[in-house]
Parts: sequence; structure tokens; C-alpha cells
Amino acid sequence: GDSVTQMEGPVTLSEEAFLTINCTYTATGYPSLFWYVQYPGEGLQLLLKATKADDKGSNKGFEATYRKETTSFHLEKGSVQVSDSAVYFCALSDRIDYKLSFGAGTTVTVRA
Amino acid sequence: GAGVSQSPSNKVTEKGKDVELRCDPISGHTALYWYRQSLGQGLEFLIYFQGNSAPDKSGLPSDRFSAERTGGSVSTLTIQRTQQEDSAVYLCASSLGLVNSPLHFGNGTRLTVT
Repeated sequence: GDSVTQMEGPVTLSEEAFLTINCTYTATGYPSLFWYVQYPGEGLQLLLKATKADDKGSNKGFEATYRKETTSFHLEKGSVQVSDSAVYFCALSDRIDYKLSFGAGTTVTVRA
Repeated sequence: GAGVSQSPSNKVTEKGKDVELRCDPISGHTALYWYRQSLGQGLEFLIYFQGNSAPDKSGLPSDRFSAERTGGSVSTLTIQRTQQEDSAVYLCASSLGLVNSPLHFGNGTRLTVT
């Protein structure tokens, strides 16, 4: 079945550092790919998405590019802030039943 | 506007008791999902509703778990004869039910079975 594997955490880094969270997927067909974020004390919310190969999703300074050849959707941000501290989840949708399959989540802590 | 609302936010119950978890989706959202988030685990899919129908119940862990949705709105997840391994955060999400529609999540119900 469809699955997502993402980089294990936790990740701790300093403000203004570069952040990468790796995500790879296994799917039949052509899934849509998502990154969701869960800030402390809040519910999960969509961060960005890409619906076809070579699409780049971006939001709040974060970017991820849908790479079909490497089945990857790595999340990047060039200069993180303390407010980016959260749990990040990579997810895919097989576009048949709209069910999202999530990775295990990566906890990111940014220190001032 | 109002988001997805889940109640209760916390529930502590004794092993063997039944529990009901409630989800109020965003008005107009036809699709509703239940996930389970255990400590150190990802989000485990439980069940999905399109309207009042559940085309995919494949994620329900056992026959102790059931869910229903009435009026295309509120959904209830019921766990009978709870076990300690049922302890987790149960998340509900809703969406417009279209391809690539984002899921809007509630804050979850934290269930602790003692």
C-alpha cells in the first residue's frame, strides 16, 4: 500500500539555520503530496502541497518539490525562526479515496 | 469561522469501559476522517466518511471500534471495552471532499485508559 517515510527527529537548530526534513514515498499511480505542521497546543494544519511531478509547493518560507524520479518531497527552509518550532508531517493522497497517509512526524525545535 | 470541534478534549477511562468521541466538522464539508496518533507514532488512519457513508473502514483496529455520521455532519467514534493500547490522541478532520482538498483538523481527544 501507499506509505510515507520521513526523517526521524528530533531536530534542534539555531535561529537562521537551514532546515531540511527528508520525505520519501511509495505509491501506485500519481499521488498528491503534502506537508502538514502541528504547532504546540494546536491542531494539524496544511503547510504546503504539490499535486504533480516537478511542482513546487511553498508557504511561510518553506518549500518542497515533488520529485517523481526519486519519489521524494523534502521540506526546506533557508532561515528558521523560533516560531517554526513544531512537528512536521509529510503525507500523500492517492487521489482515489482522498485518504491521506502520513509519515511519523519530525519534531523541530529552534533555539534563539 | 468555526473550525473542526472535538469533544471531550481529554478522557480518562477504566479498562473495559465504553467511550464515545465526538467530532463536529466544518459546515459544508462532506468528507470526514478519523485518525489516531500514538506517542512516537505517525497518524494512523481509522475511517473515512463521504456524506453519511463510510467507503473505507479498513483502518479500524478491531471490531471494538465503530463510527457513524448522521445528517452529513456530526460523527461519533465509539470504542467498546477499552484496552490500555487504545490510549492515544484521536484526531478528526474534515474537507470539501474534492481531489486535493486540504484536511482541516480538530485539536483531538486525548484518551487515557487506566
